[in-house]
Amino acid sequence: KNQVEQSPQSLIILEGKNCTLQCNYTVSPFSNLRWYKQDTGRGPVSLTIMTFSENTKSNGRYTATLDADTKQSSLHITASQLSDSASYICVVSDRGSTLGRLYFGRGTQLTVWP
Amino acid sequence: EADIYQTPRYLVIGTGKKITLECSQTMGHDKMYWYQQDPGMELHLIHYSYGVNSTEKGDLSSESTVSRIRTEHFPLTLESARPSHTSQYLCASSEPTGRAQDEQYFGPGTRLTVT
Repeated sequence: KNQVEQSPQSLIILEGKNCTLQCNYTVSPFSNLRWYKQDTGRGPVSLTIMTFSENTKSNGRYTATLDADTKQSSLHITASQLSDSASYICVVSDRGSTLGRLYFGRGTQLTVWP
Repeated sequence: EADIYQTPRYLVIGTGKKITLECSQTMGHDKMYWYQQDPGMELHLIHYSYGVNSTEKGDLSSESTVSRIRTEHFPLTLESARPSHTSQYLCASSEPTGRAQDEQYFGPGTRLTVT
């Protein structure tokens, strides 16, 4: 069964600190992995997308890694800001359909305190 | 920021009412999607469309229906709302690249509460 599991479920950190969010998946055949940021009451916004051949991708203070062998990804946030408080969702796409089937994790709820 | 819009943003309605959630995009995307998301849970695909006059049901069974008469417009309708329909509904669209890994752009969502 194709699944995406994220950990931790929630995380609280102080402003300025770094943190790392984890994503494990069983989706096959694998096409790509994305990390989305979803602010409360808003739609998800894409942060990074990585294909099978990419093992790291950065977007400002966000750095995503991918290990396609172990089917694990991480999202590292550097020097956190209050505006980083949001849900971070790991999304994996398979190559098995023309629709571009997406499998969503439940997200990690990050809270940054001043 | 993606040019995809949803109205209303919030809706509180009584049981048995008919409602239509609007979704429009100005990017010329062929593919459009409706997702349902409950608090703390993953997004579930309920409807999608490859283009005008094309609609398909997604993975999660839904009593809602959709239509795609124009490329930019993909409304979702509930003929008779029930409390079990209370949820957040997210609309998305993706570029017509023909690749399986199309980037999906999401609207801000409609928070529906049925009393």
